[in-house]
Amino acid sequence: EAQVTQNPRYLITVTGKKLTVTCSQNMNHEYMSWYRQDPGLGLRQIYYSMNVEVTDKGDVPEGYKVSRKEKRNFPLILESPSPNQTSLYFCASSLVAGAIPSTDTQYFGPGTRLTVL
Amino acid sequence: GESVGLHLPTLSVQEGDNSIINCAYSNSASDYFIWYKQESGKGPQFIIDIRSNMDKRQGQRVTVLLNKTVKHLSLQIAATQPGDSAVYFCAENLDTQGGSEKLVFGKGTKLTVNP
Repeated sequence: EAQVTQNPRYLITVTGKKLTVTCSQNMNHEYMSWYRQDPGLGLRQIYYSMNVEVTDKGDVPEGYKVSRKEKRNFPLILESPSPNQTSLYFCASSLVAGAIPSTDTQYFGPGTRLTVL
Repeated sequence: GESVGLHLPTLSVQEGDNSIINCAYSNSASDYFIWYKQESGKGPQFIIDIRSNMDKRQGQRVTVLLNKTVKHLSLQIAATQPGDSAVYFCAENLDTQGGSEKLVFGKGTKLTVNP
């Protein structure tokens, strides 16, 4: 089954304790992306990756790191989490970034709900 | 600046009625638009998309209309069912300065279907 998986699905942590949220896709997609979703703000892009070893900042990258050593995996790293990073996080992937209708859709993972105390 | 927004944050309809969800976008250079549905506890799910060279596109019970003159996008759901209750997001595809593309999402409209 074609899917994007994230782990963990739920995480409660404390300020300053490094954490990693994993993301994996089995569709051989080139493009992967991380979003955070907050009430009233919708989905905002944190980082994205056009392909292996190619990553770039999205709209809200501060406090986050990513890596893309393999095509299928795109972990999100919070080196020193803070309470303002409490949010719902989504990983997404698509064959390429954007433009071909109906064949280039971004597929989203189930989400990771992070609480930083 | 770039932004995608929705006119109404909530919409409540009766089962069987048609629903219309609206979206305004600000970047006239955007060439691709998508509607996503997000059910409670799940990630966004693709519904339908449209390129800027089209005015209308139909799917199964859904129609997307694009008015480039006023930079307006709408999603029409025919014969709305309780399973359509969700938050709906529009997104526009933007070219970034680095030559890549990204999706910019609106803030969402919550659709509630009353039996």
